[in-house]
Amino acid sequence: DGGITQSPKYLFRKEGQNVTLSCEQNLNHDAMYWYRQDPGQGLRLIYYSQIVNDFQKGDIAEGYSVSREKKESFPLTVTSAQKNPTAFYLCASRIRGRQDNTEAFFGQGTRLTVV
Amino acid sequence: SQELEQSPQSLIVQEGKNLTINCTSSKTLYGLYWYKQKYGEGLIFLMMLQKGGEEKSHEKITAKLDEKKQQSSLHITASQPSHAGIYLCGADGGGAQKLVFGQGTRLTINP
Repeated sequence: DGGITQSPKYLFRKEGQNVTLSCEQNLNHDAMYWYRQDPGQGLRLIYYSQIVNDFQKGDIAEGYSVSREKKESFPLTVTSAQKNPTAFYLCASRIRGRQDNTEAFFGQGTRLTVV
Repeated sequence: SQELEQSPQSLIVQEGKNLTINCTSSKTLYGLYWYKQKYGEGLIFLMMLQKGGEEKSHEKITAKLDEKKQQSSLHITASQPSHAGIYLCGADGGGAQKLVFGQGTRLTINP
């Protein structure tokens, strides 16, 4: 079945450590996204990528890094520079349309907790 | 960059009642998406609107985009417990492929 998979579902990190969240899709989508969701709030865009080996900062990129070496993979690293990393992280992908836009498909999320 | 404002932020309705959630944009909307989220899970796509005046329905949920393409509404008729969750509007804005979201509306259905 085609879909988008995030792992792990729950992740615990000690302060000062970097941690990488995985996002894999087998939908053959060009565009991929990372969002952060805090309790009672909407989604805030961290990074997005339209094509392999290219990505752009979203609205809250500070303290995060990404790579896009393969079309199907878009890992997010939460660095020690991120002051408040505890949150729910969502990954999404969609077709990169030329004229018409398309809906994004979402993973089930990773809940990161700093201990 | 594109900003989306949803209202209300929270909504509690009695089962069987109708309700409306609004999404207002600071810029013209070229692609407006409605999603539903259950707590702690991913987003489920509901509907996409692109043309001014467009209206789409699925079961008891209807979404509209106004003629000026700066405001959308989501209407639920005869609400059921299964409608409970967080509803988010998203839009293409600020450049190719950038997809941003509103802050969400938390819907609670009381029996």
